[in-house]
Amino acid sequence: KNEVEQSPQNLTAQEGEFITINCSYSVGISALHWLQQHPGGGIVSLFMLSSGKKKHGRLIATINIQEKHSSLHITASHPRDSAVYICAATNFGNEKLTFGTGTRLTIIP
Amino acid sequence: GAVVSQHPSWVICKSGTSVKIECRSLDFQATTMFWYRQFPKQSLMLMATSNEGSKATYEQGVEKDKFLINHASLTLSTLTVTSAHPEDSSFYICSASKGVTGTGAKNIQYFGAGTRLSVL
Repeated sequence: KNEVEQSPQNLTAQEGEFITINCSYSVGISALHWLQQHPGGGIVSLFMLSSGKKKHGRLIATINIQEKHSSLHITASHPRDSAVYICAATNFGNEKLTFGTGTRLTIIP
Repeated sequence: GAVVSQHPSWVICKSGTSVKIECRSLDFQATTMFWYRQFPKQSLMLMATSNEGSKATYEQGVEKDKFLINHASLTLSTLTVTSAHPEDSSFYICSASKGVTGTGAKNIQYFGAGTRLSVL
């Protein structure tokens, strides 16, 4: 069974700061997902990656397969980025997601 | 994009009643749909995987007779919480997957907005 761990659990930062959230997993995966969950509960899929790096607007996701580690970066953070960020791993052979415990991000104006 | 609609977003019911939650993929055909449950300040937990036209596969510890899943078409799956009790109060989220596409994009899950169930 894959174990997915995230750090930090909680992160508070000032508007404009560069944010990094880390995710590590224990077993080789077919893909790593980054999800965003807003206070109302709805979930948005931000990235799905299996190698290298992806960028969308101010968000950047990287993955190091050898080290079994992924990071989510937010540049020029804004209060609207405040949410819970969840990484999830897909194992080979099925589509099931194993979720990390999430990182609660609060950006202060 | 790919949109998944979940309804209702919020429901309050009396203990002993049944509640049905719908999950629809609006602009794509979902080969697989997933149902998750999330308790406050906890991560999502997979309850069951649903494929159109076949019986759902339930995760260990999830009662299939209590949480009835019907995947009637490639765009609709329903979760019925039967004889709901206060301990069933939770946030239920569905997701839908397109499976593998021609471009090789796979395993992307598109999430519904969730249903908050409160059983009195």
